[in-house]
Amino acid sequence: EVQLVESGGGLVKPGGSLRLSCAASGFTFSSYNMNWVRQAPGKGLEWVSSISSSSSYIHYADSVKGRFTISRDNAKNSLYLQMNSLRAEDSAVYYCARHLTGYYNVGFDIWGQGTMVTVSS
Amino acid sequence: QSVLTQPPSVSAAPGQKVTISCSGSSSNIGNNYVSWYQQLPGTAPKLLIYENNKRPSGIPDRFSGSKSGTSATLGITGLQTGDEADYYCGTWDSSLSAGVFGSGTKVTVL
Repeated sequence: EVQLVESGGGLVKPGGSLRLSCAASGFTFSSYNMNWVRQAPGKGLEWVSSISSSSSYIHYADSVKGRFTISRDNAKNSLYLQMNSLRAEDSAVYYCARHLTGYYNVGFDIWGQGTMVTVSS
Repeated sequence: QSVLTQPPSVSAAPGQKVTISCSGSSSNIGNNYVSWYQQLPGTAPKLLIYENNKRPSGIPDRFSGSKSGTSATLGITGLQTGDEADYYCGTWDSSLSAGVFGSGTKVTVL
């Protein structure tokens, strides 16, 4: 079964750090571009970051640029999001998602169940 | 404020048709593919349409997508109670060098 499973969410104080992980299974992870998308409680979807299959291309939303770092380990079939200098407005459910086709094509066909990040003192 | 503009809500009776618009600009919809997602309460988004008008396997042909200039439209025919959900459009913005989503549209089946 094709699956993405996120982990690493939790409660963190403002200014703190957290590392999210996304474990992929059921497909050739190294062949796919990957993404992080978040959704604050009661709000819409917000694209966070994309990384190409070989990590050659990486992009971030302006709201997280300089604070978040996306990475992947194709040998471990895993995607990561290192989040530093966290703010209250970063509180959200974070989803990892797989690109269906091209890197600049925002068509994500497989999504994880999400992991909740809460930034609060 | 989302880069892509969607109506907050649309509604129709069972069996009827609804359309959801997504308005953008030349830097996003005008020059990039559009995707559409359905999000049922408490669940992850589900891809309905990609590359403007293509359906992933398993998505019924009641769902359709189109694009013209800097706007895109999602159509749902034969509306069912199970279609009550939030729907989002998404695309790449070449000026921002970032993915962007619409603000979402809630579909209500009367």
